[in-house]
Parts: sequence; structure tokens; C-alpha cells
Amino acid sequence: SQTIHQWPATLVQPVGSPLSLECTVEGTSNPNLYWYRQAAGRGLQLLFYSVGIGQISSEVPQNLSASRPQDRQFILSSKKLLLSDSGFYLCAWSAPGPTREQYFGPGTRLTVT
Amino acid sequence: AQSVTQLDSQVPVFEEAPVELRCNYSSSVSVYLFWYVQYPNQGLQLLLKYLSGSTLVKGINGFEAEFNKSQTSFHLRKPSVHISDTAEYFCAVIPSGYSTLTFGKGTMLLVSP
Repeated sequence: SQTIHQWPATLVQPVGSPLSLECTVEGTSNPNLYWYRQAAGRGLQLLFYSVGIGQISSEVPQNLSASRPQDRQFILSSKKLLLSDSGFYLCAWSAPGPTREQYFGPGTRLTVT
Repeated sequence: AQSVTQLDSQVPVFEEAPVELRCNYSSSVSVYLFWYVQYPNQGLQLLLKYLSGSTLVKGINGFEAEFNKSQTSFHLRKPSVHISDTAEYFCAVIPSGYSTLTFGKGTMLLVSP
């Protein structure tokens, strides 16, 4: 069966510091991968998605970036965090091909201070 | 563009009472529909999905939903809720041929004894 991992689970970072969040999927090949941010009371915001290695689509221009160095690894980064980057970051995957349901990881709680 | 409206931000209900969480969508093409549940500080879990076929779909934890194309709705129901159903519920849609899900803003279900 497929599993999705995210780490770290929680993170407290000062403003201006860099960020790296990692997501890996097991038990499937060539998944579609997604990064979402969930701010308090604001639902889910799609940040990036990827249909293959090195292929990244950005939904929201901001100071975050994403990379997919391996088939089942998806990384969310920032060079300098802002207070507004605080939130709950969720990674998800779906089967390759036309998108149907997505399966979510446990999330990373990021607090920028 | 597609959109999803969850009409209630919060639904309080007593244990063992029935509940309906409302979801309406707009799209110019055929769609696939999903309901997810999120418990505090966790990722989203797929409750049920409508891809095609019978308009009444059953999911996990005793939930069901009915797809109504003419009313562009996909309301979630449970005949008798438990305290453990307290969580946030998200409706999501993806039009046929698209790559990303669009989520509603969520409905918080609060079950009290």
C-alpha cells in the first residue's frame, strides 16, 4: 500500500531564515505531487504541483519554491521566511495520469516568529 | 473556472442526531467530487468520492453523499453522528481533464453530548 511522509512535523523559525520541508511517497511510481498551505480559517491553498521529476507548476507567486529531485520526493523551500508564511503545510499525491482523488500526508506546522 | 461553496462554516449537532453538510459547485464541464475529513493537527482523509455511476455514494465512517447534477450539489449526510465525528469537512471538485482539485473553505462539525 501507499504511504506518504512529511517532516518535520512541527517547526518554529525566525523571520528571514531559510526553510526546507520534505515529502516522500512510498508504494507508487510517478505520482502527481502537491503542496498546500492551510492558514487558520482559510481553507486549503494549492501552492505547487508536479507531474514528474523536475516539472513544477506554481499556483501562487510568492517567496516559496518547490523541487522534485527524485520521482517520489517533493521539497518545499524558502530563502527568507515571512511572518505570513506561518501555517499548516500539507503534501499530497495522486495516481499518475488524469487527476482523481488525492491522498494527504500528516502535515507540517510552521510557525514563523 | 470552477468553484466550491460550503454554505456553513460551522454545524453544531447533538450526538446521535442526523447531519447534513452542504456543498455546491460551479463548473462548465463534467466534474468529479470528493469529501475529505480533517481531525485537529492531522492531514486530510478521503471520506468518499463521486466519479461516475450511481449518484448516491457511500463512504467510510457511515457517511454518504448524493450528487445532484441539476442543482450542482454534493451534500454529505450521516444518519446518526458520534462525538468522534467532530472534525472539519472539506468538499472538493475537479473538472474532467483538469489537473488540480478545488476545495471549499470547510465546515466544522461540532458534535456535543
